[in-house]
Amino acid sequence: DQQVKQNSPSLSVQEGRISILNCDYTNSMFDYFLWYKKYPAEGPTFLISISSIKDKNEDGRFTVFLNKSAKHLSLHIVPSQPGDSAVYFCAASSYAGGTSYGKLTFGQGTILTVHP
Amino acid sequence: DAGITQSPRHKVTETGTPVTLRCHQTENHRYMYWYRQDPGHGLRLIHYSYGVKDTDKGEVSDGYSVSRSKTEDFLLTLESATSSQTSVYFCAITPRGGFNYGYTFGSGTRLTVV
Repeated sequence: DQQVKQNSPSLSVQEGRISILNCDYTNSMFDYFLWYKKYPAEGPTFLISISSIKDKNEDGRFTVFLNKSAKHLSLHIVPSQPGDSAVYFCAASSYAGGTSYGKLTFGQGTILTVHP
Repeated sequence: DAGITQSPRHKVTETGTPVTLRCHQTENHRYMYWYRQDPGHGLRLIHYSYGVKDTDKGEVSDGYSVSRSKTEDFLLTLESATSSQTSVYFCAITPRGGFNYGYTFGSGTRLTVV
């Protein structure tokens, strides 16, 4: 039972254009969402996060949007660069009054390829 | 660097043998986690620790055990390795249970069970 789903295994984008990566979740108790980026042979690295009290968070070229009613979040990368080519994972957690111990539930990942 | 190292980086082992993977951190973070990454599944939590000697199971804990006898080390043991445990294993740390910090991941251990 996949509580966090990334339904697009891959995405191909031209350099300079927008990349939009999508993520859906089913657990209405999730209240914190994160995106991680992973290069081959490396561990994932934290990219950007958003709390459920917000609907948008921006950090440079990266913006995450959260639609709680649709249980959907997306990561926008503008403009896309070849160095952005990587696997992107969305993750979610329920803070649960401090007893969640920081556990994250991850999606399957989306491979982003940005062509020069 | 990030202050988290995993060893070994690669290992090939035979079915039925015990295997221990090590995660070592120099950040003095309280929380440590073991995840496995498999195609089509993303990263799935195996076990986690919220302090020395305090550990609990994640969603895919069957066949795995962990130990944390000191803050800096979190060991993952496959008691009797099976081919279904062929995977890439990642350790992660975070200073506290909230998420302003995200996780810091190690570089991973690629384990092949033949």
